[in-house]
Amino acid sequence: KQEVTQIPAALSVPEGENLVLNCSFTDSAIYNLQWFRQDPGKGLTSLLLIQSSQREQTSGRLNASLDKSSGRSTLYIAASQPGDSATYLCAVPAGGTSYGKLTFGQGTILTVHP
Amino acid sequence: GAGVSQTPSNKVTEKGKYVELRCDPISGHTALYWYRQSLGQGPEFLIYFQGTGAADDSGLPNDRFFAVRPEGSVSTLKIQRTERGDSAVYLCASSLSPGPDTQYFGPGTRLTVL
Repeated sequence: KQEVTQIPAALSVPEGENLVLNCSFTDSAIYNLQWFRQDPGKGLTSLLLIQSSQREQTSGRLNASLDKSSGRSTLYIAASQPGDSATYLCAVPAGGTSYGKLTFGQGTILTVHP
Repeated sequence: GAGVSQTPSNKVTEKGKYVELRCDPISGHTALYWYRQSLGQGPEFLIYFQGTGAADDSGLPNDRFFAVRPEGSVSTLKIQRTERGDSAVYLCASSLSPGPDTQYFGPGTRLTVL
C-alpha cells in the first residue's frame, strides 16, 4: 500500500526566504506526482504535475523535483511572499487501472510573515 | 470557464439522518472523484467514476456510503444513518480523461454530524 509522508508538518519563515518542502513515498512505481495548494476552508489547487519520466517541473517561483528511485520529491519556493501562506500537499496516483485514485500526504502548513 | 462546484457548502445534520452531497464537474470531464478530508489530514480517496460507472469504490468506508453519476456528469454522494465520525470535508474533483491526469478540485462540502 502506497504511503506518502511530508516533512515538515509546519514551517514559518520571513518574507523573501527560499524554502524547500519535502515529500516521500514508499512505492516508487508511480506514474506521476502532483503538488497542490490548499487555502483555509477551500479546495485544492493543482500547482505542478511531474511525470515519472521527468526530473523537474517549474512554474514561476515554484520548482518541483522528482527522484523516483529514492521515493522523494521536493517543492522549492523562491523568494517567498505572505500570499504563499497555505497548506501544500503532494499526491501520487495508484497503479494499474486505478491511477486516477490519488494518495495524499498530510500536508505542510506554510506561514510566510512580513 | 466554470470550475468544479459542490453543494451545499456546509451541511449540519443529526446522527442517524440521511444526507446527499452534490458535485458538478467541469463540463466535458469524463472522470470524477470523491475524497474525504479530516482536520489536519490530507484527502482520502473514496470513489472514482469513469463516465457513469464506478471504476474504483475501494475507499468507501462501509455500506452506508454510496455514490451515483447517472448521466455521466453530476454526481451525488449519499450517506445513510450518519455518524459523528462522518464529520469531515467532502471534496470532489474531475479530470478531462480517466487516468493520471491533473485533477481539478471543488471547494468541498463541510459535513457536521451532531
